[in-house]
Amino acid sequence: NAGVTQTPKFQVLKTGQSMTLQCAQDMNHNSMYWYRQDPGMGLRLIYYSASEGTTDKGEVPNGYNVSRLNKREFSLRLESAAPSQTSVYFCASSDPIAGANVLTFGAGSRLTVL
Amino acid sequence: SQQGEEDPQALSIQEGENATMNCSYKTSINNLQWYRQNSGRGLVHLILIRSNEREKHSGRLRVTLDTSKKSSSLLITASRAADTASYFCAGITGGGNKLTFGTGTQLKVEL
Repeated sequence: NAGVTQTPKFQVLKTGQSMTLQCAQDMNHNSMYWYRQDPGMGLRLIYYSASEGTTDKGEVPNGYNVSRLNKREFSLRLESAAPSQTSVYFCASSDPIAGANVLTFGAGSRLTVL
Repeated sequence: SQQGEEDPQALSIQEGENATMNCSYKTSINNLQWYRQNSGRGLVHLILIRSNEREKHSGRLRVTLDTSKKSSSLLITASRAADTASYFCAGITGGGNKLTFGTGTQLKVEL
């Protein structure tokens, strides 16, 4: 049981390049999330998808797009990468348990934009 | 920002001692959770305390929640070197189901 799988684990981009971070979960969870983690900032929500076919902005959505491809997969795209997007990105999924969202996280994707 | 604030930012203790970390929000929070993150890894859920609970235990973990003060604390008793990690609180703020995380406490347990 893999849980939440993210690819790639590491990526270096030049300013202006585009890339897509992939995320897949095998727990049949309805909700999926993308967070970024920066030193001293904790985790900040970029986008989330409450269920297949829906997406919504989080706290820091600018510069990102997402696609909920199916129930398993939720991708995050950077159309024109900027140095400010250098960060560690985490995908997570959840199924609300009696009103509480307990998240299962992937291992993270470390992105550097030069 | 509705992000939670954690205190202290960093904590260094000796093995066997207790570690206490605190979390506070500016807005009301529901169903507060605590997560642990080992260096270079993803976050792992530790414990959930619901809005109608004041205290909860799980093994060496004890969590309290004070909804009137919008704050929570995590106590790890008899700490071990393997407890070295960052700890984050997370709660649902402002309605909806989006989880907002605190800034984290880095705990170092020395032998």
